[in-house]
Amino acid sequence: DTGVSQDPRHKITKRGQNVTFRCDPISEHNRLYWYRQTLGQGPEFLTYFQNEAQLEKSRLLSDRFSAERPKGSFSTLEIQRTEQGDSAMYLCASSPGLIYGYTFGSGTRLTVV
Amino acid sequence: RKEVEQDPGPFNVPEGATVAFNCTYSNSASQSFFWYRQDCRKEPKLLMSVYSSGNEDGRFTAQLNRASQYISLLIRDSKLSDSATYLCVVTRRGANNLFFGTGTRLTVIP
Repeated sequence: DTGVSQDPRHKITKRGQNVTFRCDPISEHNRLYWYRQTLGQGPEFLTYFQNEAQLEKSRLLSDRFSAERPKGSFSTLEIQRTEQGDSAMYLCASSPGLIYGYTFGSGTRLTVV
Repeated sequence: RKEVEQDPGPFNVPEGATVAFNCTYSNSASQSFFWYRQDCRKEPKLLMSVYSSGNEDGRFTAQLNRASQYISLLIRDSKLSDSATYLCVVTRRGANNLFFGTGTRLTVIP
C-alpha cells in the first residue's frame, strides 16, 4: 500500500463547470475525510465517511458539493457549478481512528478561472 | 471562537537555534493532540502526537498543558530542512474529525 492517493493533482476549470476528484485511502482505514485548504489557512473539515456511510458534513459543504464512498473503498468529491471561491487545495485523508491522526493524500489543487 | 489558535509567524531563526511554538485550544473536552508539518504546496504530514506527560522525538519535544489549554513544540538545533509550516491539531470529545490551526511558519536561515 502506497498511502493515500488523490487524482488529479491539479485541475483548472472554467467557472460554472462541474469537477470531480477521486481519493483512494489506505485500504485498512475505515475512516475517510475531505478537507479544503486555502493559502495561509489550515485545512478545514468538509465531510467524513466511516466505511460507506457519510456521517458528518460541514456547513462549508454547500449544496453544490457532494461526496460519495461507494462500497467503503475510494471516495469522490464533486463540485457543481464551480465558483472562483472554490479555488483551493482539496485534501483527502484516511485514518484507522482519531487517536492515530490522519494520513493525507497529496491533494488536488483546483483553480477556477 | 476557533478551536485552535496559533501565532502564524513567520519565525526566522539561524541554523542551530532552538525555537518554540505554542498553540491554544478552546474546548476543554479536547482529547488527542498532534503536531503536523506541512511543506510549501505539499500535504500535511504527522510530525508527532502530544501526550499528557510530554514526549520527545529526537530534536523535537512536545508538551501539553491541559489546565491552560495549550500545546507547545520545541525544536532544538534547527536544521535548514526544518523550514516548513507547523500545524497544531486537536480532537474533541463527540467530534469525528481533527481540528487544525492555521499553522506557524518557520524559516531556518543558514
